[in-house]
Amino acid sequence: EIVLTQSPTTMAASPGEKVTITCRANSSVSYMHWYQQKPGASPKPWIYDTSKLASGVPNRFSGSGSGTSYSLTISSMETEDTATYYCQQWSNNSYTFGAGTKLELK
Amino acid sequence: EVQLVESGGGLVQPGSSLKLSCVASGFTFSSYNMHWIRQAPKKGLEWIALIYYDSDNKYYADSVKGRFTISRDNSKNTLYLEMNSLRSEDTAMYYCAKSYYGFFDYWGQGVMVTVSS
Repeated sequence: EIVLTQSPTTMAASPGEKVTITCRANSSVSYMHWYQQKPGASPKPWIYDTSKLASGVPNRFSGSGSGTSYSLTISSMETEDTATYYCQQWSNNSYTFGAGTKLELK
Repeated sequence: EVQLVESGGGLVQPGSSLKLSCVASGFTFSSYNMHWIRQAPKKGLEWIALIYYDSDNKYYADSVKGRFTISRDNSKNTLYLEMNSLRSEDTAMYYCAKSYYGFFDYWGQGVMVTVSS
């Protein structure tokens, strides 16, 4: 099974600050996907195929990476970005998620 | 508009069974693979089951293999999860999700399952 390790587990950012969340896999994966979840809500598709923004996602978000290392970046933190972000991969009909990164406002 | 609406959750005792349903609308249900994903209270997301669009293939996480069964009825646009031998560690919010290749592009609102005596 491919294990995804996200870092940091929790972080706080000030409005306007650049934010980077990392997701590392214990084996190479072809793509990484990301979801945003706010308290009491279902996860929302956020970034797919490593770098493509889902519908409605602000363009201050971006995704990058390859092989075993991927990242989600917010170019300029906004209040509405406070949430937990999960990375996810798919291989051989098995799907795994990272443990999540809780992003708070400083 | 794509909608996925889960139902069937509740409070059950350890060792008992429960069947969840997910009614889909707004897309051609019979053309897409479907999944169940769960989230224990204050914990992360765990994928637990996949069924191909034609029901020919089904896959499970090790944590539920042999106890849970995923199925679908394409004539009713409905996905199911039959859960047997429930344990306290199965307590979670259960989401059904549609996938596009390896990406979960639509999620339901979730249904809570609590296993407790």
